[in-house]
Amino acid sequence: GENVEQHPSTLSVQEGDSAVIKCTYSDSASNYFPWYKQELGKRPQLIIDIRSNVGEKKDQRIAVTLNKTAKHFSLHITETQPEDSAVYFCAASKGTGGGNKLTFGTGTQLKVEL
Amino acid sequence: KAGVTQTPRYLIKTRGQQVTLSCSPISGHRSVSWYQQTPGQGLQFLFEYFSETQRNKGNFPGRFSGRQFSNSRSEMNVSTLELGDSALYLCASSPRGESGNEQFFGPGTRLTVL
Repeated sequence: GENVEQHPSTLSVQEGDSAVIKCTYSDSASNYFPWYKQELGKRPQLIIDIRSNVGEKKDQRIAVTLNKTAKHFSLHITETQPEDSAVYFCAASKGTGGGNKLTFGTGTQLKVEL
Repeated sequence: KAGVTQTPRYLIKTRGQQVTLSCSPISGHRSVSWYQQTPGQGLQFLFEYFSETQRNKGNFPGRFSGRQFSNSRSEMNVSTLELGDSALYLCASSPRGESGNEQFFGPGTRLTVL
């Protein structure tokens, strides 16, 4: 089955710096790659997603890039703020027969320091 | 629209008991997926229901089961509870059944098995 690896497991940055989280997936049939943010004690919330027919997507300070050949996708957060501190999960989902099943990475604890 | 709701929010059981968790999706959403979240294993897919039919199942023992009703509400049941079943159980709803649709998570049910 699908396997998603995520690195790093923890990331500490200074406020205003950029943060990059990387994920790789194993199933070449995967075609949907969402990123979720989970604050302590709260539910995961979608922050950005990308589909396999697109190489890059940006939403204000957040961007995601996808390299289908390498089976690799990354989350980029610019101008980090303290409220960006949370656990971030990448995930992958495949089309035909996959339904809405998401395979998650192991998460990255991002800490933005003042 | 009201978000995804889950009941109960907290549950304490003892080994050998069984438990039923409930999930009410966003109105109009027909797909409900269940995930188990633990510190050690992260977010793991349990199963997905769409139009009252189980479409996907994760790698969990048969003690874990679920169902979906005609109004799209879903329940999951865990029989013969084990200590390792202690986890946050999250459900997520999506408007359609194919991959590439945003999934909205509920607040989760925190299950503790003593």
